[in-house]
Amino acid sequence: QVTLKESGPVLVKPTETLTLTCTVSGFSLSNARMGVSWIRQPPGKALEWLAHIFSNDEKSYSTSLKSRLTISKDTSKSQVVLTMTNMDPVDTATYYCARIPIGGSGSYLADVWGQGTTVTVSS
Amino acid sequence: DIVMTQTPLSSPVTLGQPASISCRSSQSLVHSDGNTYLSWLQQRPGQPPRLLIYKISNRFSGVPDRFSGSGAGTDFTLKISRVEAEDVGVYYCMQATQFPLALTFGGGTKVEIK
Repeated sequence: QVTLKESGPVLVKPTETLTLTCTVSGFSLSNARMGVSWIRQPPGKALEWLAHIFSNDEKSYSTSLKSRLTISKDTSKSQVVLTMTNMDPVDTATYYCARIPIGGSGSYLADVWGQGTTVTVSS
Repeated sequence: DIVMTQTPLSSPVTLGQPASISCRSSQSLVHSDGNTYLSWLQQRPGQPPRLLIYKISNRFSGVPDRFSGSGAGTDFTLKISRVEAEDVGVYYCMQATQFPLALTFGGGTKVEIK
């Protein structure tokens, strides 16, 4: 069974750096097809894509947030880590990680999502 | 970045009646490999999104056949043939065609029972 689980702080202060971890199971991050994206959703609002890491360790970032984001992975731990610097109250949201296979007939679809982790930015 | 625009914002539907959601992209979603990476996601209240449809019209594993997708180029539609109570939630279209990879989502359409 493929699962993803997000973890991280519930509360961060403005200007602090947020570090979130996505722990995956049921597939390997070293699999040539497997990539993981981070997506967030402010309360009552739409989904917003943040970043993606490919199996070959290439990265892609949201144009508007690129200067604040870093995505990385530790294949041995089956973890994908997202850091976001200079947090602001507008960054309050539920943060999701999702698997996105690339290659073959089932490409570029967010087929499995984590339950999400809610982060509040407040002093 | 490709902008995805969904209509309507809200769709009150009588149980057993059909529902239709439109999604328009700011540019063609045909990828250089010839595929169109347009998906539909369902988000029930308090739940993470769930994949329903991928590559315009392919139902994902376990998705009931009352859900169908259609369209091409920049205009796409999700249809629910007969709405059931469990279909209540917000529906999003998502594109994954942009290169380098940059996913974008529509603003969401809330399906509710009249």
